[in-house]
Amino acid sequence: DAGVTQSPTHLIKTRGQQVTLRCSPISGHKSVSWYQQVLGQGPQFIFQYYEKEERGRGNFPDRFSARQFPNYSSELNVNALLLGDSALYLCASRRQGSITDTQYFGPGTRLTVL
Amino acid sequence: AQKVTQAQTEISVVEKEDVTLDCVYETRDTTYYLFWYKQPPSGELVFLIRRNSFDEQNEISGRYSWNFQKSTSSFNFTITASQVVDSAVYFCALIYGNKLVFGAGTILRVKS
Repeated sequence: DAGVTQSPTHLIKTRGQQVTLRCSPISGHKSVSWYQQVLGQGPQFIFQYYEKEERGRGNFPDRFSARQFPNYSSELNVNALLLGDSALYLCASRRQGSITDTQYFGPGTRLTVL
Repeated sequence: AQKVTQAQTEISVVEKEDVTLDCVYETRDTTYYLFWYKQPPSGELVFLIRRNSFDEQNEISGRYSWNFQKSTSSFNFTITASQVVDSAVYFCALIYGNKLVFGAGTILRVKS
């Protein structure tokens, strides 16, 4: 089975622009989470979605938004980009929304804001 | 508050040496889950192990072993006979609510 896929792989934007990142979970997985990983740090939780509903939100500004589609894929949107938004954005999927389920990560999208 | 501490920022070893990566966690929950992930240069986080707080048995998987001690709130990871392919950043993480709380990671460099 294919793992979690993310697109694009790399992205370069300028300050003030908007960006949309995409994620497709493992087949059969209904929950998707997004994490931001700044260089040299561990990933930080942004959102979790399960069955198209937001189930959790991390300490990120309202410029960050996400949604989940009927096929369980997800998009992460970031508006009014700042230099500090430069990071690796990781998507993780799990079978259900339960905390007992292991999260499996995709390869990430590396966003550079100039 | 939930917190994971990986005090070792970077470790360098020569191939075939054994290496232990330390992880100390803080949680008020009586039931919790701990994880280890590997992040090679490609960037993808690779799941290695999940351990729940009920099971204190140590686990071995090939060259990898994990030592979970509730008394010291530690969940350490040992690689036996390290190989160059083990070079990566290793993260310890704790489940809190719907999210994983990660440590800062330990960079492991294995030299041939």
